[in-house]
Amino acid sequence: AQKITQTQPGMFVQEKEAVTLDCTYDTSDPSYGLFWYKQPSSGEMIFLIYQGSYDQQNATEGRYSLNFQKARKSANLVISASQLGDSAMYFCAMKGGDNAGNMLTFGGGTRLMVKP
Amino acid sequence: EPEVTQTPSHQVTQMGQEVILRCVPISNHLYFYWYRQILGQKVEFLVSFYNNEISEKSEIFDDQFSVERPDGSNFTLKIRSTKLEDSAMYFCASSEAPGATNQPQHFGDGTRLSIL
Repeated sequence: AQKITQTQPGMFVQEKEAVTLDCTYDTSDPSYGLFWYKQPSSGEMIFLIYQGSYDQQNATEGRYSLNFQKARKSANLVISASQLGDSAMYFCAMKGGDNAGNMLTFGGGTRLMVKP
Repeated sequence: EPEVTQTPSHQVTQMGQEVILRCVPISNHLYFYWYRQILGQKVEFLVSFYNNEISEKSEIFDDQFSVERPDGSNFTLKIRSTKLEDSAMYFCASSEAPGATNQPQHFGDGTRLSIL
């Protein structure tokens, strides 16, 4: 069964600095997709960025980028120029892989706190 | 930007009662999902729905749960004989098409279910 691991339960970052949130995954299937979601304190889940297992380049979306290292099975989220509004829970999730379905399997999340 | 809408935002119910959580997916989306998040824990997949039938379901989604698309727009989750451990945030999500790993699932703001 596939598994998503986020080893950092909580992180602090200074405003305007960059921060990396770790995500490792385990699957034996070569075809899968990796997603990052942001969950502010208000509770909603906001899609941030996607990386496909066959994508040759790391995904970028505004201040968000993915450091995708396929051989190491890691898909770390990099947030550049942190803002106070970035304070939230961040979840890494996988679709496809050993599940061979459309469900998302989520990691345990990382709480990011941006300091002014 | 189109969004997934969930009602109510908060539902308080006596143990043993039935609840219906409602969702209006994004209009051109074909695949619908329910997830739940017990307080402080990871997001867990419950069920996916495509072409008017359940596509996948998790072990959590037992006979206590059912889903329905009663008309062309609403997608509902019914929980019968609610238990204290059903207290959680329930998220509805939708995506454009099945099969493709790169389709993000767009989440609603969630319904917080509290069982007393």
